[in-house]
Amino acid sequence: DGGITQSPKYLFRKEGQNVTLSCEQNLNHDAMYWYRQDPGQGLRLIYYSQIVNDFQKGDIAEGYSVSREKKESFPLTVTSAQKNPTAFYLCASSGQARVNTEAFFGQGTRLTVV
Amino acid sequence: GIQVEQSPPDLILQEGANSTLRCNFSDSVNNLQWFHQNPWGQLINLFYIPSGTKQNGRLSATTVATERYSLLYISSSQTTDSGVYFCAVRDSSASKIIFGSGTRLSIRP
Repeated sequence: DGGITQSPKYLFRKEGQNVTLSCEQNLNHDAMYWYRQDPGQGLRLIYYSQIVNDFQKGDIAEGYSVSREKKESFPLTVTSAQKNPTAFYLCASSGQARVNTEAFFGQGTRLTVV
Repeated sequence: GIQVEQSPPDLILQEGANSTLRCNFSDSVNNLQWFHQNPWGQLINLFYIPSGTKQNGRLSATTVATERYSLLYISSSQTTDSGVYFCAVRDSSASKIIFGSGTRLSIRP
């Protein structure tokens, strides 16, 4: 099936540890995005990438890092510098870079700091 | 940057009622999408609607790009329609996707 796969679905992290969230797509999409959602809130953009080996900071990039070494993959690392990492993280992809196409989302990863 | 405002923030209706959700945006946009977030958090694509009107069963949407708003209509509501509805727009460079804060819809049986 074509789509976007995020893993794991649930993730627990101890304070002070880095953790990496996986996002893989087989839609042959150029653009990929990471969003954070806090309870009862909307989606805020963390990072986005229009093409392989290129990415830009979104509105809340501090404490996060990404890489885009392959078209299919856009992993997000939540570093120990992120002061309040407990949240729901959603990954999305859309077609050609800077072309208006429909975006699709993965099922999300719930991260809890314990 | 573009501001996206959705109204109302909360809506409680009886099963069978109709509803209209609104999305206003502050600048010209290149496209607009409506999503439904289910109780498990997944975002379901409803409409990709840069302009004009589309219908899918009991749902329809209209975007008037020149007046910077979009409307989502839900007719004959069912309890499964409950959840949060988001609109999202692309900025003029078509690189960022920006979300509104959502409308939380609760359908009572």
